[in-house]
Amino acid sequence: GQNIDQPTEMTATEGAIVQINCTYQTSGFNGLFWYQQHAGEAPTFLSYNVLDGLEEKGRFSSFLSRSKGYSYLLLKELQMKDSASYLCAVKNGANNLFFGTGTRLTVIP
Amino acid sequence: EPEVTQTPSHQVTQMGQEVILRCVPISNHLYFYWYRQILGQKVEFLVSFYNNEISEKSEIFDDQFSVERPDGSNFTLKIRSTKLEDSAMYFCASSLRTSGMWELFFGEGSRLTVL
Repeated sequence: GQNIDQPTEMTATEGAIVQINCTYQTSGFNGLFWYQQHAGEAPTFLSYNVLDGLEEKGRFSSFLSRSKGYSYLLLKELQMKDSASYLCAVKNGANNLFFGTGTRLTVIP
Repeated sequence: EPEVTQTPSHQVTQMGQEVILRCVPISNHLYFYWYRQILGQKVEFLVSFYNNEISEKSEIFDDQFSVERPDGSNFTLKIRSTKLEDSAMYFCASSLRTSGMWELFFGEGSRLTVL
């Protein structure tokens, strides 16, 4: 089975940096993804990690430690439009994607 | 930019009725998926489909659910006899491959309301 945990909600200030953590236990592992989801909309792809370390993509970075079953998404220079849910998802041994509960981020002025 | 399209965007049905949700995946994609998201809850995997057969299905995907690729472009999810708890947003997704770095492209979703 799959067990993917994230904090339910976080609040951060515009211009600041926020780190959203994710821990996972899955049957097989073929990569970890982060998706952004605005309310009522489809998830959109943000990042992908399959090897340990940090992947940077503009204001967004994602880190993976496979031995610890741990990842985080780092958002820098927060903007109001970054208010959304951030979904951690793991690709299992059968190459299917399973999502965590998501972290609802609220960016305040 | 190619996209996954879903119809209808919203469907209201009576409990016990059959519902068919339709999806047109991105044209050169080979792997197709259905996910659902009950309001306020997580995105849940239902089923994956490749080469005209189901690759994997979750516990949610019981005998009331079926999928079909009736032609070269459509991918459908059928719920035979809807229950109140089937009310959710249903997302179709497709990908070009499954190995290595791949991106799962989601449609905008079909909101199903069962009364």
